[in-house]
Amino acid sequence: EPEVTQTPSHQVTQMGQEVILRCVPISNHLYFYWYRQILGQKVEFLVSFYNNEISEKSEIFDDQFSVERPDGSNFTLKIRSTKLEDSAMYFCASSPPWTGEKLFFGSGTQLSVL
Amino acid sequence: GQQLNQSPQSMFIQEGEDVSMNCTSSSIFNTWLWYKQDPGEGPVLLIALYKAGELTSNGRLTAQFGITRKDSFLNISASIPSDVGIYFCAGPGNQFYFGTGTSLTVIP
Repeated sequence: EPEVTQTPSHQVTQMGQEVILRCVPISNHLYFYWYRQILGQKVEFLVSFYNNEISEKSEIFDDQFSVERPDGSNFTLKIRSTKLEDSAMYFCASSPPWTGEKLFFGSGTQLSVL
Repeated sequence: GQQLNQSPQSMFIQEGEDVSMNCTSSSIFNTWLWYKQDPGEGPVLLIALYKAGELTSNGRLTAQFGITRKDSFLNISASIPSDVGIYFCAGPGNQFYFGTGTSLTVIP
């Protein structure tokens, strides 16, 4: 069964460094999302992406964050200058337009900022 | 933003017991989704509901879409240890909103 894949599964970085989290959505999906989950808390929406542009973003998604679909298969989340509070599990999700808005999630990237 | 509140926040039950949890919203949704998250994994879709009043089953899981379109419940019958995890309700909108989660622990 096709699935959303994320790499790396774990990323440790120093505060102030840039990180890029990578995702390969399911191949025939058209909508892409990034979420984060701080340990023990709920899943929080960051951004949605459709037709090569951001369609919605939350207040969490400030100027330190950016997303890109550099080719036909990858979808990336970049954090330019990481802060301690960016430590969280980051989930990528994708959705086709014909399934009633069901989201399919990857297994996540655990980001630890030291 | 829209708020999805789940109750209870956590549950500890004996294997074999039935479980019931619910989700309420501050506004109307046209679709309700229930996800389960295993530790260290991404959420996995369990059940999708599309019509007010709809009752849908998936194995031992049953979910209902409230008539007011502002709530939904999820029941798990005859719980087993692998039911352990966090259960989230979710509703699509401009952002895809997730509930606060119900953490389920099943004691063998």
